[in-house]
Amino acid sequence: AQTVTQSQPEMSVQEAETVTLSCTYDTSENNYYLFWYKQPPSRQMILVIRQEAYKQQNATENRFSVNFQKAAKSFSLKISDSQLGDTAMYFCAFCTSGTYKYIFGTGTRLKVLA
Amino acid sequence: SQTIHQWPATLVQPVGSPLSLECTVEGTSNPNLYWYRQAAGRGLQLLFYSVGIGQISSEVPQNLSASRPQDRQFILSSKKLLLSDSGFYLCAWSGRGQGEIYGYTFGSGTRLTVV
Repeated sequence: AQTVTQSQPEMSVQEAETVTLSCTYDTSENNYYLFWYKQPPSRQMILVIRQEAYKQQNATENRFSVNFQKAAKSFSLKISDSQLGDTAMYFCAFCTSGTYKYIFGTGTRLKVLA
Repeated sequence: SQTIHQWPATLVQPVGSPLSLECTVEGTSNPNLYWYRQAAGRGLQLLFYSVGIGQISSEVPQNLSASRPQDRQFILSSKKLLLSDSGFYLCAWSGRGQGEIYGYTFGSGTRLTVV
């Protein structure tokens, strides 16, 4: 069975600092996609970043970047220059190519401290 | 531009009462539509997905059902709510064949409390 594990239920970081959220997954598939979603207190889910498994280059979106280690089945999210607005629940998600379904991790609650 | 509407935002219902949550998408055709439930301390659980009118796939056997009467309308229902149905329900859509590549767009969610 395919699974997504986020081992850090809660984290905190000082404003302007860098924080890394961990995510590991388990699959026997070779073609898949990985995502990080952000859910702020408003509970609106927002796509932060995505990564195609066949691409070795790590995805980057402004202050957000990933460290994708395919062999280790690891997909961590790095947030640089953390801002108060980054306070949210962050979900890692996995989707096998050719399917419609995401598998989500249980989330990491990130709090950015002023 | 594409938008997704989900209502109501909050709902308090007694045990045994019926449920109807509605989701509509604007600005696109033939979307894939999804219903997810988020329970406290847990991730998102896929309940139903639909790739076309009248086509519903159920992921979790339970007290809920879904329908897609129109291309851009997705409804989550129950005939008799259970306490365990409480949670945060999210509707989402993706372009046909694109969800795996570009991700989902989620609605704003419905907080359901069954009392």
